[in-house]
Formats: sequence, C-alpha cells, structure tokens
Amino acid sequence: ILNVEQSPQSLHVQEGDSTNFTCSFPSSNFYALHWYRWETAKSPEALFVMTLNGDEKKKGRISATLNTKEGYSYLYIKGSQPEDSATYLCASFYNQGGKLIFGQGTELSVKP
Amino acid sequence: DTAVSQTPKYLVTQMGNDKSIKCEQNLGHDTMYWYKQDSKKFLKIMFSYNNKELIINETVPNRFSPKSPDKAHLNLHINSLELGDSAVYFCASSQAGTVLNTIYFGEGSWLTVV
Repeated sequence: ILNVEQSPQSLHVQEGDSTNFTCSFPSSNFYALHWYRWETAKSPEALFVMTLNGDEKKKGRISATLNTKEGYSYLYIKGSQPEDSATYLCASFYNQGGKLIFGQGTELSVKP
Repeated sequence: DTAVSQTPKYLVTQMGNDKSIKCEQNLGHDTMYWYKQDSKKFLKIMFSYNNKELIINETVPNRFSPKSPDKAHLNLHINSLELGDSAVYFCASSQAGTVLNTIYFGEGSWLTVV
C-alpha cells in the first residue's frame, strides 16, 4: 500500500512568519511529486510538479524542494500573508498503477 | 470561463435514490478523472478516462458508473445511494496522463445522503 503523509496536519502562524511543512512518500518506483493549494469551496490549484532528486521550485514567496532518495518534499512559505491560508496538498506519482496518491494536506491559517 | 466545471455543487438526497454529477472541461485535455475526498480528507482516485476510454477503475462499488460521451465530459452516476456515499467528489482533467502534467480540478460536489 502506497501512503503519502503530510505534517503537520494543521498550522497556525502570524502574518509575516515564514513556515514550512513536509510531505513524506515511499521512494521506490517514485516518478513525480505534485503540490497543490486548495481553498475550501474552490478548486485545488497546482503549485509545482517535481521529478528529480534535488529539484527546487519557486513561485513568488512559495518554494519547494524534493529528496527522492529519502522520500520527502518540503514546502516553504516566506513572510506568510492571510491570503496564504489554505490547505496544501502533495501527491506522488508511481510507475505502478499510473495514478497520483494524495496526502491528507496541511491546513495553514495565517492570522493578521 | 471555468476550466473544469461540475454540477451540482451541493446535493442532498435520500438513501436509495439514483443521482448523477456532471463534469465538463474546456481545456482540450485528453484525460479526465473522478476523485473522492474520504472521511480522513484524503483525495482518492475513483476513475480515469483517456479519450473516452476507461484506464483506471479503482475498487469502488459497482453502483458508481462513469460515463464519458466525449473527451470533454465525464459524468458520474451513482445508483442506490447509501449513507456512506456522503463525501465531496472532484472532477479533474490533465493533458495525456499525470506524470509531469498538472491536474486541473473542479470545485467539488458536496453529496449528502440522508
């Protein structure tokens, strides 16, 4: 059974704080990792797709890194803003089955 | 224009009823999906279609039947609804598989069975 775990499950920070959270996944037969940002009642929105060990991607104040050998990815948010409040989902893709396996998300709340 | 649209957004229905959720994408993608958000908030794939052909069919009750009249539409029919079917169902699409191509999701359909 392939499990993707995210931690923490929820996080409360003050505006201006920088924060990070983790996505852990089985490393064997790994092919790609996706990060999504999801506000309730809206569509989950793609942030990054990463495949190579050591990959780093950045989009504004949000960045992500990937370690495929040990099976984890970090998502960083620099200088959190209230509009960053959302659930951040990661999902890994494996050769077998040909499908994305999602974690349960990290719910971020940024207080003004 | 909404890229992936699904209707209805909210549905409350009684046990035993048959209902459908419709999904349309205007992105020109080849692949469409249905995901279910389970009670622990995990998004789990139910079905995947590529150019109207079923390619992923997870272990879901056969009361759930997807139908793809063309590659822009993937509807989900649910027969004899049960209480445990209450969940949020997401339609999604991507271009030719999921490996390096991001998935575009609809806003979800909140199904409540009473």
